[in-house]
Amino acid sequence: LAKTTQPISMDSYEGQEVNITCSHNNIATNDYITWYQQFPSQGPRFIIQGYKTKVTNEVASLFIPADRKSSTLSLPRVSLSDTAVYYCLVGDYNAGNMLTFGGGTRLMVKP
Amino acid sequence: EPEVTQTPSHQVTQMGQEVILRCVPISNHLYFYWYRQILGQKVEFLVSFYNNEISEKSEIFDDQFSVERPDGSNFTLKIRSTKLEDSAMYFCASSDFGTGTYEQYFGPGTRLTVT
Repeated sequence: LAKTTQPISMDSYEGQEVNITCSHNNIATNDYITWYQQFPSQGPRFIIQGYKTKVTNEVASLFIPADRKSSTLSLPRVSLSDTAVYYCLVGDYNAGNMLTFGGGTRLMVKP
Repeated sequence: EPEVTQTPSHQVTQMGQEVILRCVPISNHLYFYWYRQILGQKVEFLVSFYNNEISEKSEIFDDQFSVERPDGSNFTLKIRSTKLEDSAMYFCASSDFGTGTYEQYFGPGTRLTVT
């Protein structure tokens, strides 16, 4: 599994766009990039997944450059309820494979 | 929206006692998992289960742990003789196959406190 590096914590204010970057220099050809969100005392929740270029859903966007050695999760116009830990996971996650979580990025959104 | 449920939400037990944590995965899912998270630490994989057998397990999942799918809906994690260091949040998860994403659906967790 590719090792991932992401900031330990970030602060933002309501209404701002937040970009969380994850570094994964050793990403393999078959690896996908997946982001999960975890609120305090809750289970992680899938946000978005991508392989290359840009992926967007109703929650976030995921930007992946051509070399795929990093990725950026973009949260548009955050609110207080987006305060959570965000995890970047990289792996060839076939169905049934375990997820390997790192330390994640603790995002604090302030009013 | 379908969701994974877990019971109990909080379990307090004495060291050496057996505990069973229960989960009801999403009904049409085929893969089931247990993870744990010690307070302030990472989410750690314990075990995955498919087709009524363990498909993968971590070093944490030693002989004190077992999993079972006793019927068509429940998925249980048993800890035979709890230790203080088993105190953690235990999350059950399930996933489908062939959806094009590697999404696992997590339950709300059971907080296990071993005294």
